Amino acid sequence: AQSVTQPDIHITVSEGASLELRCNYSYGATPYLFWYVQSPGQGLQLLLKYFSGDTLVQGIKGFEAEFKRSQSSFNLRKPSVHWSDAAEYFCAVKAAGNKLTFGGGTRVLVKP
Amino acid sequence: NAGVTQTPKFQVLKTGQSMTLQCAQDMNHNSMYWYRQDPGMGLRLIYYSASEGTTDKGEVPNGYNVSRLNKREFSLRLESAAPSQTSVYFCASVGTSDSYEQYFGPGTRLTVT
Repeated sequence: AQSVTQPDIHITVSEGASLELRCNYSYGATPYLFWYVQSPGQGLQLLLKYFSGDTLVQGIKGFEAEFKRSQSSFNLRKPSVHWSDAAEYFCAVKAAGNKLTFGGGTRVLVKP
Repeated sequence: NAGVTQTPKFQVLKTGQSMTLQCAQDMNHNSMYWYRQDPGMGLRLIYYSASEGTTDKGEVPNGYNVSRLNKREFSLRLESAAPSQTSVYFCASVGTSDSYEQYFGPGTRLTVT
């Protein structure tokens, strides 16, 4: 069965610094991968997705992610974080029937 | 275009009470989903409906029932609420079959005392 692991539960980063969130997946076939963001009290919003092709994908809000098959990873990055990036981030892999399996999430705190 | 809407936003129940969480989408999506979100566990799938008239169990279906009333609406029912069902519940729907993007509602925060 597919699974997603986000090793970091919390990350604190200074405003203007770079951010990298880790995601490792377990899936038998070529994975369809997603990153979602959840602002406090809100639903989830899609940041970006990877289906095939270029392994570096660009998303909204200045985020990008790199798919590395050899490492079963799909890490999310942003070169310079803004205070508004404080949120919880979820990595997910698509399973059969358009279902998603989510990681446990990483909460990002941004220091001024 | 409201996207995915959920009612209520907040609810407090006593153990043993029942309630129905409502979800509707206006994007003409075929597939709809119910998740629960608990700290450190991400979102876990309760039930889903691949199309109108069909429903299937997800990862954590015990204690819940669902109804796909029509293409727009997908409700989640707790017949006898338990404290373990205290959670935030999200409804989602899937866009076109080649995008697989799930669109989420704002959530219902449920507390069972």
